[in-house]
Amino acid sequence: SQKIEQNSEALNIQEGKTATLTCNYTNYSPAYLQWYRQDPGRGPVFLLLIRENEKEKRKERLKVTFDTTLKQSLFHITASQPADSATYLCALDDMRFGAGTRLTVKP
Amino acid sequence: SQTIHQWPATLVQPVGSPLSLECTVEGTSNPNLYWYRQAAGRGLQLLFYSVGIGQISSEVPQNLSASRPQDRQFILSSKKLLLSDSGFYLCAWTGSSGANVLTFGAGSRLTVL
Repeated sequence: SQKIEQNSEALNIQEGKTATLTCNYTNYSPAYLQWYRQDPGRGPVFLLLIRENEKEKRKERLKVTFDTTLKQSLFHITASQPADSATYLCALDDMRFGAGTRLTVKP
Repeated sequence: SQTIHQWPATLVQPVGSPLSLECTVEGTSNPNLYWYRQAAGRGLQLLFYSVGIGQISSEVPQNLSASRPQDRQFILSSKKLLLSDSGFYLCAWTGSSGANVLTFGAGSRLTVL
């Protein structure tokens, strides 16, 4: 069966640096992959969607890459801010999620 | 615009009691509907999804059930709650075609004692 993994449970970085989060999947070939942000006690909020034929997608300080050969997506936040602190989740096109990475940006 | 409502927001139930969580979507028709559970500090587990009235797909065998009596209404139920049913339950919807993104409700936090 397919499996989706986010390698880091938690990531701590300094304000202004670039945060890079990883999402890997196995036994599956998704048509697209999504990234969501979740704040404590809230439902996830959609950030970006990248399709299998797209290598990279950007939205303001966010960038997502999708490598179907490696079966991996990378999620970057440039010029990170303390307000970016949250849990970030990736999801495949079947609406199944990875466990999430808790990002903390320190001032 | 579309909105999703989920209730109750919080509930504390004894072991063995029944459960009913309700979710409704406004401003769209024929949505795909989803129930997720999130245990403390864990990821989202897909429990059920529905592509139409009366059509329910179950992802994991457990003592929970789901129903879709109307196009924009999705209900999560249990006849007898277990301690392990405690968690944060989230309802979500997507459109029924194309590359769809999930829009989540505010969630229902269930504590089983």
